[in-house]
Amino acid sequence: SQQGEEDPQALSIQEGENATMNCSYKTSINNLQWYRQNSGRGLVHLILIRSNEREKHSGRLRVTLDTSKKSSSLLITASRAADTASYFCATASSGNTGKLIFGQGTTLQVKP
Amino acid sequence: GAGVSQTPSNKVTEKGKYVELRCDPISGHTALYWYRQSLGQGPEFLIYFQGTGAADDSGLPNDRFFAVRPEGSVSTLKIQRTERGDSAVYLCASSLIAGAGNEQFFGPGTRLTVL
Repeated sequence: SQQGEEDPQALSIQEGENATMNCSYKTSINNLQWYRQNSGRGLVHLILIRSNEREKHSGRLRVTLDTSKKSSSLLITASRAADTASYFCATASSGNTGKLIFGQGTTLQVKP
Repeated sequence: GAGVSQTPSNKVTEKGKYVELRCDPISGHTALYWYRQSLGQGPEFLIYFQGTGAADDSGLPNDRFFAVRPEGSVSTLKIQRTERGDSAVYLCASSLIAGAGNEQFFGPGTRLTVL
């Protein structure tokens, strides 16, 4: 079963604009991760934010986490056509399993 | 270095047949995960191995699904009496060790189509 929801389901922007995607989840977590997927195949890990962190940056990516609201957002600044992909949030609970619970994803299209 | 590989990349089979999907993790990674992704959905956890043993198989949908990792490296996901609803992309991931903070590296997936 899916952990939560992402919105929007689809997002279309012009190159150079910023893209914001949101993720909500239901249970307590150890960390939340964002992944990118091109063409419905392999996932690429983008960034991990731990439950005791509120914000994290990696290049053009900025992730926030609000554990009181059980939500996270991914901001991609100065988007490029190559950023066109599906983006998924995934949560990992405490413990040693490491199994990830994914959201349903946001499909981002960046127009050149 | 080599990433996670999965074979075959595509598999078309008929309803009722048996299929095996293979995953080669990154060398030295002790944890291996299987996920299933239906069209338009996020991946759903199936099973994970720490070493040779299945540490959590709570995501396997029913007893037609079974996975093994006999030598702690390559894993095979086995599906008996396939049904049309089994059609999906099956993703494999590995990490150095199991644990919430360890990055999982995903393979390209096997697209299974059951006719």
